[in-house]
Amino acid sequence: DAMVIQNPRYQVTQFGKPVTLSCSQTLNHNVMYWYQQKSSQAPKLLFHYYDKDFNNEADTPDNFQSRRPNTSFCFLDIRSPGLGDAAMYLCATSRTGGSNEQFFGPGTRLTVL
Amino acid sequence: KQEVTQIPAALSVPEGENLVLNCSFTDSAIYNLQWFRQDPGKGLTSLLLIQSSQREQTSGRLNASLDKSSGRSTLYIAASQPGDSATYLCAVRTGGTSYGKLTFGQGTILTVHP
Repeated sequence: DAMVIQNPRYQVTQFGKPVTLSCSQTLNHNVMYWYQQKSSQAPKLLFHYYDKDFNNEADTPDNFQSRRPNTSFCFLDIRSPGLGDAAMYLCATSRTGGSNEQFFGPGTRLTVL
Repeated sequence: KQEVTQIPAALSVPEGENLVLNCSFTDSAIYNLQWFRQDPGKGLTSLLLIQSSQREQTSGRLNASLDKSSGRSTLYIAASQPGDSATYLCAVRTGGTSYGKLTFGQGTILTVHP
């Protein structure tokens, strides 16, 4: 089945220690998104890629970076995680044209100690 | 700036009841609206997508309606079951690109008890 995969499902890191979260997709969608969702809050868009073009949201902290080496993979790098960065990180994909429906992965739960 | 509000924040019903979840948005210039389900600690599962030109969409026991001019959508769940217990999120797509961005509501936490 075509899907969006996120690894790892759970990530524990220490305060200030860089961490990378991974997202891959078999849908061949050209747009990939990263959302941050804190407990009992709505998902908040951090940034997205349209093909290789990176689009950052205005209020996304510089601590968050992303890479998309090819169509299938996208990474979220947190350079110096703080306690406030503990959250669920959701990856989503969509394609241009058609319904533009977004498909989400299972998420990575990040804990910062 | 688009804002999305969901009412109620939480809902508890006995099994078998029909129920309605509400979603409102401030800017009616949307391309589509999606309803999602989220189980605790999990990702989002897309339930229904309504294009701005449509009035409703149905999938099994779920029916979603859209009144774009008044900025409202409802998700109707018929004959609720304990397995329907989850958080339900609505999101509207805005933006001038060919793919847009989603703005989410805070969600409605639904509990269906046997």
